[in-house]
Amino acid sequence: SAVISQKPSRDICQRGTSLTIQCQVDSQVTMMFWYRQQPGQSLTLIATANQGSEATYESGFVIDKFPISRPNLTFSTLTVSNMSPEDSSIYLCSVETSGSDEQFFGPGTRLTVL
Amino acid sequence: KQEVTQIPAALSVPEGENLVLNCSFTDSAIYNLQWFRQDPGKGLTSLLLIQSSQREQTSGRLNASLDKSSGRSTLYIAASQPGDSATYLCAVKPIGGSYIPTFGRGTSLIVHP
Repeated sequence: SAVISQKPSRDICQRGTSLTIQCQVDSQVTMMFWYRQQPGQSLTLIATANQGSEATYESGFVIDKFPISRPNLTFSTLTVSNMSPEDSSIYLCSVETSGSDEQFFGPGTRLTVL
Repeated sequence: KQEVTQIPAALSVPEGENLVLNCSFTDSAIYNLQWFRQDPGKGLTSLLLIQSSQREQTSGRLNASLDKSSGRSTLYIAASQPGDSATYLCAVKPIGGSYIPTFGRGTSLIVHP
């Protein structure tokens, strides 16, 4: 299994500002994922973050809005840029451990944009 | 494109009942299926992972089955407790391509004393 922590756990931000969310894993992992979960909805994949290469973004998500860093095999950040109220969501970091097919999630970051 | 549907969307039961939550998917070419639990405002906790070659997995009071040919999985919860109250999501990982799983919208379960 993998233990994942995220910072911050929640935040309230003003429109037009940016927030960087950190994800730390207790073991080295190849694949890290960033998801968004809007109120009452299921999970939507934002991007896949691989160490040593640029993140791969899903349709509807762009690097300028959601820049991602992956400096090593245990850490990643997601920035939500130029925020609007529509960005209010829970943002979740997820990993798939090497040699296992199981997916694990962090506790999430609850973002409210005013 | 894979579509995952979970029925019912919400369920409220008295403590002690045995429950069945359903997950259906449209493309049977799956690599595995995973059940998660999510408490309000929190992340997802992995409950059970079923590989495509398996028929079921068990953990404590939970049992998950998989029928690929009919595109269905069920999560059985025995002797439900108030602490089981949460949203339960299933995720289906495809064979090939990006291997990115598709999530259902979940079943919101309330077990009242």
